[in-house]
Amino acid sequence: DTAVSQTPKYLVTQMGNDKSIKCEQNLGHDTMYWYKQDSKKFLKIMFSYNNKELIINETVPNRFSPKSPDKAHLNLHINSLELGDSAVYFCASSGRDRDQPQHFGDGTRLSIL
Amino acid sequence: GDSVTQMEGPVTLSEEAFLTINCTYTATGYPSLFWYVQYPGEGLQLLLKATKADDKGSNKGFEATYRKETTSFHLEKGSVQVSDSAVYFCALNTGTASKLTFGTGTRLQVTL
Repeated sequence: DTAVSQTPKYLVTQMGNDKSIKCEQNLGHDTMYWYKQDSKKFLKIMFSYNNKELIINETVPNRFSPKSPDKAHLNLHINSLELGDSAVYFCASSGRDRDQPQHFGDGTRLSIL
Repeated sequence: GDSVTQMEGPVTLSEEAFLTINCTYTATGYPSLFWYVQYPGEGLQLLLKATKADDKGSNKGFEATYRKETTSFHLEKGSVQVSDSAVYFCALNTGTASKLTFGTGTRLQVTL
């Protein structure tokens, strides 16, 4: 069974469109995350939710809005897509203890035309 | 703030060569340290971790020792294989809202 699954795997769309990426984890973790990985492989955290509550909100344009309907799901909605949004977006989850590793999904490659 | 510095890549080695990927950190607290590996087209996977000074994390022949005095967590493997070709990320967590701070990643290419 896939531990952290995100859909879609690939997303190709036009500038100005609105799109969503979904993430689900079946590990029973309380905390979920969204990361952005650029073309140089640099990883930056965007958001973190603990038990449906937002706990990390890095400097991200407000066009990006996370939503956590329950602690097993964390979706990412992006409005008015721009060329600079092209990247791979990773969802992850972890337990509460900082010694516990984060488990990552396989990523969603977003390409803006 | 917290930061992680990794050696620039790519690192190109022949199969069975010895690998070292350097990682140093700065942290306001007492961090837990991790190495993650990303194979092409996949997400990150935990490779190993260490949670206190002088701990050695190990997995799949890879090792790293938590050195508080030098604030380092260098990754080593005695004999690399072609299947080890991937991007390796050093990361730390000081426990502040479970936030992982990543290094920039080091690409390893192993050839026959």
